[in-house]
Amino acid sequence: GESVGLHLPTLSVQEGDNSIINCAYSNSASDYFIWYKQESGKGPQFIIDIRSNMDKRQGQRVTVLLNKTVKHLSLQIAATQPGDSAVYFCAENIGGGGADGLTFGKGTHLIIQP
Amino acid sequence: DAGVIQSPRHEVTEMGQEVTLRCKPISGHNSLFWYRQTMMRGLELLIYFNNNVPIDDSGMPEDRFSAKMPNASFSTLKIQPSEPRDSAVYFCASSVLKDSEAFFGQGTRLTVV
Repeated sequence: GESVGLHLPTLSVQEGDNSIINCAYSNSASDYFIWYKQESGKGPQFIIDIRSNMDKRQGQRVTVLLNKTVKHLSLQIAATQPGDSAVYFCAENIGGGGADGLTFGKGTHLIIQP
Repeated sequence: DAGVIQSPRHEVTEMGQEVTLRCKPISGHNSLFWYRQTMMRGLELLIYFNNNVPIDDSGMPEDRFSAKMPNASFSTLKIQPSEPRDSAVYFCASSVLKDSEAFFGQGTRLTVV
């Protein structure tokens, strides 16, 4: 997994398996969290978000889990596909999803093995 | 909509030269953000505009960096003079409101030699 402000780790999973990307955030006052996906040569793309009054949120093939006690965020991707290969960033904010206040982690590189 | 459009996609320039990066936000979006991405520091917010007005430029690293938004459909980020340590990918993003989801452009990869 990754921690906001540290090096870029790599996660390699087999196509079809589930993947879990972890993120440790630092600011206990953060109340809004976003996962972004960045493919090579492209800008970050919004995947899913969660507010601090929730501990789980599901999207299409993705689930975000939030554990405020230990300041931990995870992104679960079900049945990974080759197109899921990318760098995944978690971002935290206080007071909403505005890009002005987002603090991005360094990212985790997800590699899908055929 | 074509999304946020940035130009150029790649820029290679010599140290000391002026560099201008351009951004066209999504039509109807009122907030525009300039980010810089490096391996060492990740994604950093440089400046953002709301309704064409610069709101927070505390992320601009030095006076060599300046940004303008003359109208709702165009913004520039200028570096003068450029230095090798400015080499990075620069992203522009826009959102409907300051607190709503931001959409990123493809970025400009700047290399200063």
